[in-house]
Amino acid sequence: DTAVSQTPKYLVTQMGNDKSIKCEQNLGHDTMYWYKQDSKKFLKIMFSYNNKELIINETVPNRFSPKSPDKAHLNLHINSLELGDSAVYFCASSRSLAHEQFFGPGTRLTVL
Amino acid sequence: GENVEQHPSTLSVQEGDSAVIKCTYSDSASNYFPWYKQELGKRPQLIIDIRSNVGEKKDQRIAVTLNKTAKHFSLHITETQPEDSAVYFCAALKTGANNLFFGTGTRLTVIP
Repeated sequence: DTAVSQTPKYLVTQMGNDKSIKCEQNLGHDTMYWYKQDSKKFLKIMFSYNNKELIINETVPNRFSPKSPDKAHLNLHINSLELGDSAVYFCASSRSLAHEQFFGPGTRLTVL
Repeated sequence: GENVEQHPSTLSVQEGDSAVIKCTYSDSASNYFPWYKQELGKRPQLIIDIRSNVGEKKDQRIAVTLNKTAKHFSLHITETQPEDSAVYFCAALKTGANNLFFGTGTRLTVIP
């Protein structure tokens, strides 16, 4: 069984569009995350969501918004996509911040 | 906030040799230090972690050492194999913080 799943795996879209990436975990974890990995492979935290408390990395544009319908899901919605948004986006979950994070397979977003 | 520096950015070793990757952190209150391995096109996965109450931890060919005084920790891989080739990320967390702080990654290449 897949612990952390993301859809879609690939996303190609035009500048200015709005898109969403879905994430689901079946591990019963309380904390979920979204990371952006750019072409240089840097892993940057975008959001963490713990027991309905959202922690936002202050450098993330407000065009990005996480939505959590329940504890097992943390979706990422992006408005007005820009070229610089092209990257691989990883969802992850963990029991708590000080425990192993389980990553999803990633979504490669390409903005044309 | 925490600042984690990781060196080197790239490392090539001959199969069978040892590899060492070093990270330094800035916040002396940090107390959890995981290492993640990311193979090409795959998701990051935890390979080993250490907490500040111990100085060293081993798991087969992988070990991590922590020097709290100097605020640095290192990953040691012995008897390297081609399947060890990947990008390795260190990270640091302090109690009460909202996020793990990741290093910039080290691309390890093991030459057969």
